[in-house]
Amino acid sequence: QKEVEQNSGPLSVPEGAIASLNCTYSDRGSQSFFWYRQYSGKSPELIMSIYSNGDKEDGRFTAQLNKASQYVSLLIRDSQPSDSATYLCAAHGRDTGRRALTFGSGTRLQVQP
Amino acid sequence: NAGVTQTPKFQVLKTGQSMTLQCAQDMNHNSMYWYRQDPGMGLRLIYYSASEGTTDKGEVPNGYNVSRLNKREFSLRLESAAPSQTSVYFCASTTPGDTQYFGPGTRLTVL
Repeated sequence: QKEVEQNSGPLSVPEGAIASLNCTYSDRGSQSFFWYRQYSGKSPELIMSIYSNGDKEDGRFTAQLNKASQYVSLLIRDSQPSDSATYLCAAHGRDTGRRALTFGSGTRLQVQP
Repeated sequence: NAGVTQTPKFQVLKTGQSMTLQCAQDMNHNSMYWYRQDPGMGLRLIYYSASEGTTDKGEVPNGYNVSRLNKREFSLRLESAAPSQTSVYFCASTTPGDTQYFGPGTRLTVL
């Protein structure tokens, strides 16, 4: 079982709609969580980080964390064609000496004009 | 402030050849990482360096070696390239708050 699981998609939404991206993780000791966006042929770039249960909003993006259910999500409001990309969920586990992230395989989002 | 830089951007090797991928960061980060990304597999950790002078294996270290030359530079070496090492390689460095910044990547093809 992968430590961080994501549906590979593609998730297709019309322009202006809300895109909902989901991620589950297996390590209950994971402390911090990240969402990265990756355009085709480019490197991942950080969108959001979340450390506590609940919601965290930044512009059109909202990250949600539920540690009891081991579930992280990313909502994108008013989706734009420029949001079309692969979204990677990552978790930082309890192995704090390593300080490396464990990544999911990513969900491809397509926003239709 | 260039962030994380990697060279080369593209490379084609024949099976058995060797090469070194270079990575440098100018953000004064202690921790640096090498990942590979294959279709459908996400990013997998090859090696990491928690601080200058230390290196450790990640998930997929076989066939690779690393050197943390100084705080800025972390190189990845393929001693005898194999077709299974065809991938996109990303270097990253991490802030104390665990935010990782990635370099632009190296696309490696091994024939």
